[in-house]
Amino acid sequence: GESVGLHLPTLSVQEGDNSIINCAYSNSASDYFIWYKQESGKGPQFIIDIRSNMDKRQGQRVTVLLNKTVKHLSLQIAATQPGDSAVYFCAGAFSGGYNKLIFGAGTRLAVHP
Amino acid sequence: DTEVTQTPKHLVMGMTNKKSLKCEQHMGHRAMYWYKQKAKKPPELMFVYSYEKLSINESVPSRFSPECPNSSLLNLHLHALQPEDSALYLCASSQYGSTDTQYFGPGTRLTVL
Repeated sequence: GESVGLHLPTLSVQEGDNSIINCAYSNSASDYFIWYKQESGKGPQFIIDIRSNMDKRQGQRVTVLLNKTVKHLSLQIAATQPGDSAVYFCAGAFSGGYNKLIFGAGTRLAVHP
Repeated sequence: DTEVTQTPKHLVMGMTNKKSLKCEQHMGHRAMYWYKQKAKKPPELMFVYSYEKLSINESVPSRFSPECPNSSLLNLHLHALQPEDSALYLCASSQYGSTDTQYFGPGTRLTVL
């Protein structure tokens, strides 16, 4: 079936270090993946997305890598800052007539000074 | 502008009350979504509207009734809710479908007494 999951529920990093948040998916027919950041009491905020015809996409301080062979994607945050502390969700859109996004369980990123 | 607005921010209601949640976007998006999010969980899809027509209902109980009056507005009518329906209700929109970026509103925090 369709599922999107994360490897770790919590990730603690030092300010200034790079962070890597991982995500696995089960459906090889997926077309589109997206990372959201959700701060406490707020709605999910779009960070970066990637389509299945790409392996890598970069934004400002963030990079998403997609490995279709092992059905894995990751979010890399460079020079992590205290403001990056939040829950990060990966989500995937699967083809086959479904018009919906499947969310992973979420990883809480804690940045320590 | 990628803003989705939701009102009210907080809502407390009794099990016999009728209330409505409102969502608005002015990005010209033709797909709009309602999600429910419990604490420490990812958003769960409830309904999808595509071109103002209901395209997905994720087996949501009939005490939740969605409405899309026009392409910019999405309502969620609530009636005879249960305490377990207490959650953050999120609205999102995307240009056409789930393989376009979904932008979320800040949510309505609902408490059912």
